Amino acid sequence: DAGVIQSPRHEVTEMGQEVTLRCKPISGHDYLFWYRQTMMRGLELLIYFNNNVPIDDSGMPEDRFSAKMPNASFSTLKIQPSEPRDSAVYFCASSLVPGTGGHPSTDTQYFGPGTRLTVL
Amino acid sequence: KNQVEQSPQSLIILEGKNCTLQCNYTVSPFSNLRWYKQDTGRGPVSLTIMTFSENTKSNGRYTATLDADTKQSSLHITASQLSDSASYICVVSARAAGNKLTFGGGTRVLVKP
Repeated sequence: DAGVIQSPRHEVTEMGQEVTLRCKPISGHDYLFWYRQTMMRGLELLIYFNNNVPIDDSGMPEDRFSAKMPNASFSTLKIQPSEPRDSAVYFCASSLVPGTGGHPSTDTQYFGPGTRLTVL
Repeated sequence: KNQVEQSPQSLIILEGKNCTLQCNYTVSPFSNLRWYKQDTGRGPVSLTIMTFSENTKSNGRYTATLDADTKQSSLHITASQLSDSASYICVVSARAAGNKLTFGGGTRVLVKP
């Protein structure tokens, strides 16, 4: 398996522009997570999906951020309009459905390589 | 407020030496604790995950311990190698609605030859 795939790997854009980050989870994983990482704030969970349905989006910083998962193999994180403070590395991760019926937090999350976003 | 504090923020060790990283948390009610290794420019990779009933878990030269009573965890690296140079992140999950994850700020380890 190729692992979690993210694109683009690097994105440079100007303030006010729309940015779309893409993620393909590991095949068979039913949970998908979007994270943001900065030097100041470390790693933050933005939103996660279970079977394509958003479960917890309380980490999404504001209405400029939106995430979708139209099918089991694709998700997008969109920022519109982008601002310089959105500059960060955005990670996507996926995990299996727990075989024991436990909560997904007990399963290992596999991270993608990240998208480094720079908003000028 | 749920918090995860890691120490030290950074450390430098010589190749072949051992080191221990600390993680203190106030997350409640506790569900599990994970240690991740993140190489520069890469995504985090899971090293260990421990639930309430586990007090030690090893992954090669990495050994994690958990004391749920004192709410402390440690990650011990034995016989360090240059490839151990990375950031190590402690993540604690709360057994509550949504099982919220709380992340530590990480410890940056540099192994020198």
